[in-house]
Amino acid sequence: ETGVTQTPRHLVMGMTNKKSLKCEQHLGHNAMYWYKQSAKKPLELMFVYSLEERVENNSVPSRFSPECPNSSHLFLHLHTLQPEDSALYLCASSLSGGSDTQYFGPGTRLTVL
Amino acid sequence: EDQVTQSPEALRLQEGESSSLNCSYTVSGLRGLFWYRQDPGKGPEFLFTLYSAGEEKEKERLKATLTKKESFLHITAPKPEDSATYLCAVQAMANNNDMRFGAGTRLTVKP
Repeated sequence: ETGVTQTPRHLVMGMTNKKSLKCEQHLGHNAMYWYKQSAKKPLELMFVYSLEERVENNSVPSRFSPECPNSSHLFLHLHTLQPEDSALYLCASSLSGGSDTQYFGPGTRLTVL
Repeated sequence: EDQVTQSPEALRLQEGESSSLNCSYTVSGLRGLFWYRQDPGKGPEFLFTLYSAGEEKEKERLKATLTKKESFLHITAPKPEDSATYLCAVQAMANNNDMRFGAGTRLTVKP
């Protein structure tokens, strides 16, 4: 595996379900990010981790819970989501925080029924 | 507040018809401006980073330029495989963890 991988690629869940999105980076980077991309809207930064410490949380609802067990893995735990949470969820990584270029995974297409 | 506006929202070109995409930005101290390409159902693919006004970078048929207020992505003699959404993003000096994206320009190149 190379680059940034995300699983699953597609996920359909009911509002009462609990699920998790997984991201893994194979680039030796120290910073990882979660973004939300909704139709015809700019990417929205959700969470930033640098050296496994959360450094930014852009006022994301508590039904989204991130976890970064090590510098290569990032999870987004989902529970009691709303239909408006349906979107493409993108993971990215960079060598460090700051101005380093971010490299993105293919995303998870989430549909909440 | 930092803002990024991309225009046009959509652009249709004939193969070989050169054009430019615009990214206007407002940021309190630019750390870097980034261009990405995104194909349907995929994550953004990095193209360029520009750091200071006057800087230019090229890659195949693409050339990115930067001024103090905007960036252009020039596409010379495009091919159908250049069809994608092109995203612009800025990072500010004050908050280097936050990359602020524009809504993108959806480019279609017809053969």
